[in-house]
Amino acid sequence: DTGVSQDPRHKITKRGQNVTFRCDPISEHNRLYWYRQTLGQGPEFLTYFQNEAQLEKSRLLSDRFSAERPKGSFSTLEIQRTEQGDSAMYLCASSFLAGYEQYFGPGTRLTVT
Amino acid sequence: AQRVTQPEKLLSVFKGAPVELKCNYSYSGSPELFWYVQYSRQRLQLLLRHISRESIKGFTADLNKGETSFHLKKPFAQEEDSAMYYCALSASNTGNQFYFGTGTSLTVIP
Repeated sequence: DTGVSQDPRHKITKRGQNVTFRCDPISEHNRLYWYRQTLGQGPEFLTYFQNEAQLEKSRLLSDRFSAERPKGSFSTLEIQRTEQGDSAMYLCASSFLAGYEQYFGPGTRLTVT
Repeated sequence: AQRVTQPEKLLSVFKGAPVELKCNYSYSGSPELFWYVQYSRQRLQLLLRHISRESIKGFTADLNKGETSFHLKKPFAQEEDSAMYYCALSASNTGNQFYFGTGTSLTVIP
């Protein structure tokens, strides 16, 4: 297990298109988090899962964003009808339990043109 | 509301000089605080957490609940310490999601 992985690493899309990102957490980790990071800012929480259940979503997350974690393993984050403001680094993290260290993936950099 | 403030976006020190990266937080509950580091072209990784009270790579951080601070310190900076440092708060009342500061970019001048 080489840690949290994310795919793709880079994505360029045109405004209005849909995109989907994948995150594979460390295998024994129950918690999975999604964050967004823009230039000059720290990571900003989007949503998290406990196994397959999505327990919380940020109020900043618009209806165009949806996330799933089927079977409590990998997770996907979909953005529909992308806007230029969606351009950011999308980070995934996992942890064994609540309050434990979060291990981060390398991120997916999204550019919306 | 939970908030983490890192007042310095950029910090430069000479090699061998002491370094302190400031972090202040606001949280009504009992906080769990972390420092994460991101070296060039690498992913975010944990540097230390207040609960473990250990020193990692010569860095220490003490939680001061009275001043609501969790400053990161190292007595003698090394060139390999140059990186982006993020202070993070884990809030138990919101599923232990992390609240990150905006980060401090540390440059150690040889």
